[in-house]
Amino acid sequence: DAGVTQSPTHLIKTRGQHVTLRCSPISGHKSVSWYQQVLGQGPQFIFQYYEKEERGRGNFPDRFSARQFPNYSSELNVNALLLGDSALYLCASSAGLGDNEQFFGPGTRLTVL
Amino acid sequence: AQKITQTQPGMFVQEKEAVTLDCTYDTSDPSYGLFWYKQPSSGEMIFLIYQGSYDQQNATEGRYSLNFQKARKSANLVISASQLGDSAMYFCAMREYGTYKYIFGTGTRLKVLA
Repeated sequence: DAGVTQSPTHLIKTRGQHVTLRCSPISGHKSVSWYQQVLGQGPQFIFQYYEKEERGRGNFPDRFSARQFPNYSSELNVNALLLGDSALYLCASSAGLGDNEQFFGPGTRLTVL
Repeated sequence: AQKITQTQPGMFVQEKEAVTLDCTYDTSDPSYGLFWYKQPSSGEMIFLIYQGSYDQQNATEGRYSLNFQKARKSANLVISASQLGDSAMYFCAMREYGTYKYIFGTGTRLKVLA
């Protein structure tokens, strides 16, 4: 079975632009979470979606939004990019909302110039 | 406030020896889970072990064990018989079940020496 996949692998944007990152969970998993990992730090929780509804939100501005589709894949959108948004964006999937084990994807490396 | 603290930025251990990575946490939620993840240089996060706040016994998964001391709010990871492939960043994390929020620590970089 395929693991969690994310696209694109790398992305370069300029300040003020918009970006969309994509994540496909493991087959059968209904929950997707998004994290931002700035170089040298631990991941910061952004969102968790389960059954197409937002179930958890971290301390990120409204420029960050996400959605989950009927096939449980997910998009993370970031508007009005800032230099500080440069990071590795990780997606994780789990079978259910309360499941303790998350499976992470390889991440999308976003660079904002 | 929800918080995870890892006070060891870097650790060295000799191959085949045991090593303990420290983690303390703070939460007001009585129901929470504690996790350890490994992040090799490739960047992918790998789940290692989980401990629930109501679990009476310490969790073990192969060479990994979690030393859970609830009163001290600590959840240290013990790796036995270290291998060269254990060299990586290790993150302690907590999930509060009231909010479904996760929080990660700043990580400990472990280097296993031959």
